[in-house]
Amino acid sequence: AQKVTQAQTEISVVEKEDVTLDCVYETRDTTYYLFWYKQPPSGELVFLIRRNSFDEQNEISGRYSWNFQKSTSSFNFTITASQVVDSAVYFCALYNTGGFKTIFGAGTRLFVKA
Amino acid sequence: DAGVIQSPRHEVTEMGQEVTLRCKPISGHDYLFWYRQTMMRGLELLIYFNNNVPIDDSGMPEDRFSAKMPNASFSTLKIQPSEPRDSAVYFCASSAGNLNTEAFFGQGTRLTVV
Repeated sequence: AQKVTQAQTEISVVEKEDVTLDCVYETRDTTYYLFWYKQPPSGELVFLIRRNSFDEQNEISGRYSWNFQKSTSSFNFTITASQVVDSAVYFCALYNTGGFKTIFGAGTRLFVKA
Repeated sequence: DAGVIQSPRHEVTEMGQEVTLRCKPISGHDYLFWYRQTMMRGLELLIYFNNNVPIDDSGMPEDRFSAKMPNASFSTLKIQPSEPRDSAVYFCASSAGNLNTEAFFGQGTRLTVV
């Protein structure tokens, strides 16, 4: 079975704080892909990153960074020096080659207050 | 490119009426997905097409739901008859080349069945 758990339903921070969004996944496949998407108030989901199961290198893109750890089945997302525009719902997702479909976590709603 | 285009953005209908949601994927994308988002169930994949052919419709909740893709630039999701529990945001997304690549989402159709 495949599953994505985002245990944090809502997080509220003050601008300029760092914040980490947790994502834990379950899959029996050895080949799989992990994603993060952002859903701003306008509604559409926006792709942020894709990582395959053979690449455990952490990635940094501006204020965003991702920590992929196969040992703990986690793919956490950190926003450094958060800004009000980061306020959104963030989804972690898993695609495994055995299931042929992408499964989304329940999402974490991030509020960044000025 | 204009991205994935969905219409209408909002739809309010009475129980028992037929509802048709429309989607124009990004040109050149060969995968098209229909998702439903609710507070209770999160983001669920309803059906996806590859090269206009339905591949997996196991997520379609009932026979009242049907989806078509008559050509590479247009898809519809129809609910007949609609029920209040169908109220949700319906997203269309498209991707290119493979199921493990990132999907590009439309802005969604917010359906309210009263």
